[in-house]
Amino acid sequence: QKEVEQNSGPLSVPEGAIASLNCTYSDRGSQSFFWYRQYSGKSPELIMFIYSNGDKEDGRFTAQLNKASQYVSLLIRDSQPSDSATYLCAVNRGNTPLVFGKGTRLSVIA
Amino acid sequence: SAVISQKPSRDICQRGTSLTIQCQVDSQVTMMFWYRQQPGQSLTLIATANQGSEATYESGFVIDKFPISRPNLTFSTLTVSNMSPEDSSIYLCSAGQGAGEQFFGPGTRLTVL
Repeated sequence: QKEVEQNSGPLSVPEGAIASLNCTYSDRGSQSFFWYRQYSGKSPELIMFIYSNGDKEDGRFTAQLNKASQYVSLLIRDSQPSDSATYLCAVNRGNTPLVFGKGTRLSVIA
Repeated sequence: SAVISQKPSRDICQRGTSLTIQCQVDSQVTMMFWYRQQPGQSLTLIATANQGSEATYESGFVIDKFPISRPNLTFSTLTVSNMSPEDSSIYLCSAGQGAGEQFFGPGTRLTVL
């Protein structure tokens, strides 16, 4: 069974700190890896995706992928209270349905 | 990225009735999916909506309960049939193409009394 595991949190970080969110997956055939942000009462919003081993940076966000360890992470630099949300990790094999983790709730404290 | 709209945004329904949720994408997309999200939970895939053919359902979901249509590359409907309070949830449509990224509609919040 394909699974995506995340620590449910809550993860609390002070404003301005780096928030580190982690995710592991079981399907070695996974090709695409995504991070979604979901505010309470809203639908998931795609913030990052990564396909190759290594790091991918976009503004304050960095996604990291290690396929050998089946591990993907999201770093948020200079965390802001507006970053407080649930972050969902999702994986798929290309054009297949996403498999979601249960999400990590992040709280950035001013 | 695709812009996705859903109708209705919310509804309160009586037990035993059915509700059809519409999903409209602003551009042609390869893939469309329907998810359910219970309060405080992650997303559960109901089915993949296939254009011109029957939807592909995940384990635990059946066509008689959740009939899905996809008449073209921009539109899909999900019907929740013979509803019970256990069907109260947020129903989300998503669309995607290319290397697999998917974008979500705003969701339909369903309450069954």
